[in-house]
Amino acid sequence: QITLKESGPTLVKPTQTLTLTCTFSGFSLSTSGVGVGWIRQPPGKALEWLALIYWDDDKRYSPSLKSRLTITKDTSKNQVVLTMTNMDPVDTATYYCAHRHRGLTIFGVVSWFDPWGQGTLVTVSS
Amino acid sequence: AIQMTQSPSSLSASVGDRVTITCRASQGIRNDLGWYQQKPGKAPKLLIYAASSLQSGVPSRFSGSGSGTDFTLTISSLQPEDFATYYCLQDYNFGGGTKVEIK
Repeated sequence: QITLKESGPTLVKPTQTLTLTCTFSGFSLSTSGVGVGWIRQPPGKALEWLALIYWDDDKRYSPSLKSRLTITKDTSKNQVVLTMTNMDPVDTATYYCAHRHRGLTIFGVVSWFDPWGQGTLVTVSS
Repeated sequence: AIQMTQSPSSLSASVGDRVTITCRASQGIRNDLGWYQQKPGKAPKLLIYAASSLQSGVPSRFSGSGSGTDFTLTISSLQPEDFATYYCLQDYNFGGGTKVEIK
């Protein structure tokens, strides 16, 4: 059974750097094809993908946030860490991490996030 | 970047109704599309992957179809526990969501 759980501060001040940790079990990030992603959701708004890291250390970032994001993994600890610099009140959101699947169909590669962690609400306020 | 346009943004329906939600991609994405259900205060739950494959444990009243640019999530007979917000996802691109409310 795959589980993921996010941890980190619930409150950060504007301009500070946010560091979130995703601790997972039930899979290894050294297994080919496996990834872990981060997604956020401002209160009452839609989901927004942030970053993704694969087993081979391939990293992907949202183009709109790329300059502020860093994603890393610690395979031995089963953890993925996301840092976001220069936090602003508009970054107030629930932050989720999720297991990334990749599969091959007759039409080509497909991918999806499943399961997700429970999420952690981060508030940016002075 | 590929844009995912989801419609409608909200709908009202009754228990037992057939409900259809659509997602349109700004360019062809083959069958690389998933559908998620999210209830208030909860993490999204995968319903459909690869456009039409039902995730294990998901009731068969949920189905997905489409390929290329146009995709559909159908709930054949809406149940009380289905009132939620639904999102499509292509690779890293989420649709804007569809809130399904009780009529």
